[in-house]
Amino acid sequence: DAKTTQPNSMESNEEEPVHLPCNHSTISGTDYIHWYRQLPSQGPEYVIHGLTSNVNNRMASLAIAEDRKSSTLILHRATLRDAAVYYCILRRDQGAQKLVFGQGTRLTINP
Amino acid sequence: AAGVIQSPRHLIKEKRETATLKCYPIPRHDTVYWYQQGPGQDPQFLISFYEKMQSDKGSIPDRFSAQQFSDYHSELNMSSLELGDSALYFCASSALVGGDYGYTFGSGTRLTVV
Repeated sequence: DAKTTQPNSMESNEEEPVHLPCNHSTISGTDYIHWYRQLPSQGPEYVIHGLTSNVNNRMASLAIAEDRKSSTLILHRATLRDAAVYYCILRRDQGAQKLVFGQGTRLTINP
Repeated sequence: AAGVIQSPRHLIKEKRETATLKCYPIPRHDTVYWYQQGPGQDPQFLISFYEKMQSDKGSIPDRFSAQQFSDYHSELNMSSLELGDSALYFCASSALVGGDYGYTFGSGTRLTVV
């Protein structure tokens, strides 16, 4: 599985935008970029995913670099409930494959 | 919407005992995955099942076994429990959604071995 690199931790203020970076320089053409987050003592929760184009949903936006070697998860207006560990995961398009969790980014939101 | 259901939510066992964790996937999801998350660790993949057959295997101890039943629910059986087995155990299920697979995780079972 191609690896991803994320900062260990980030901090932001409530109601401000948050940009969470992820590097995946060894990504292959068939790898989807998935983002999940995990709140304390809860199971991981799907946030967003994409392949080549930028994606938006009600939770976040995903900006994918043109060469696909990096991506950024954007939370447009952070709330205290967004404090979690965010995982950037590459998933190869080969049918139902396991998600491999690496070290995510622990996001702290200050009130 | 229906979610992935795991039971029990909490389980306390003594060393050398056995434990059985259950997972009920989202209806029409055909693949189930089990993960183990130790304290302060990231989730580690254990095993997965597709259409009731084992599809992939991770770092699952030989003391653990799992299966998926005809109704698609899955059980993780853990024997000769050790203190190091204390962890959160998550189950996830997946289905093809919008051209890629979407994964939904349960709330987990917290196993404490004393």
